[in-house]
Amino acid sequence: NAGVTQTPKFQVLKTGQSMTLQCAQDMNHEYMSWYRQDPGMGLRLIHYSVGAGITDQGEVPNGYNVSRSTTEDFPLRLLSAAPSQTSVYFCASSLVGGSGRKSTDTQYFGPGTRLTVL
Amino acid sequence: KQEVTQIPAALSVPEGENLVLNCSFTDSAIYNLQWFRQDPGKGLTSLLLIQSSQREQTSGRLNASLDKSSGRSTLYIAASQPGDSATYLCAVSEVITEGNTGKLIFGQGTTLQVKP
Repeated sequence: NAGVTQTPKFQVLKTGQSMTLQCAQDMNHEYMSWYRQDPGMGLRLIHYSVGAGITDQGEVPNGYNVSRSTTEDFPLRLLSAAPSQTSVYFCASSLVGGSGRKSTDTQYFGPGTRLTVL
Repeated sequence: KQEVTQIPAALSVPEGENLVLNCSFTDSAIYNLQWFRQDPGKGLTSLLLIQSSQREQTSGRLNASLDKSSGRSTLYIAASQPGDSATYLCAVSEVITEGNTGKLIFGQGTTLQVKP
């Protein structure tokens, strides 16, 4: 298993440009999510998905779009990049566990994409 | 709102010491708690996951405990080695309900340096 893969590893954008960060997992996980990690702010959830065709917002969704057309892929789109979006982006996936009360099981993270917006 | 705090923020110890990293959370209604390791410039690696009904989990030289009622978890590292140098993050997960995302809520991390 490759686990969770992310591309690209590094990216530099100019303000106003758009791009897509790719995330894929081969573990048949229902739950996928995107976090950004910033110094002093820790990891914050951007968007998440509990299955193909289902997405929802996290705590910092503005400026980002996601879609989940397959179980394996969960791309993150930056619509019009801004310097405030300079960050390290992590994709994560997990099974959804439990019966009745459900939540995520062990979460597996990708290696990250380091994005700089000039 | 759930808040997760890790103390200390940084720790430097000589090789061979046993050490404890602390994590506290404000809302005991968690589903599970996970400890991660992050090396500089790298992603997060899951170390241990403790379900809310469990008291502890062990993996090799690592032991994590959970006291849900007091909102505390500790990560015990036995016989520390220079290769243990990294940032350790704890995170609690919410139950997936209407209004809750099932997301992980992270502490700020403890950066550990183990000196040879």
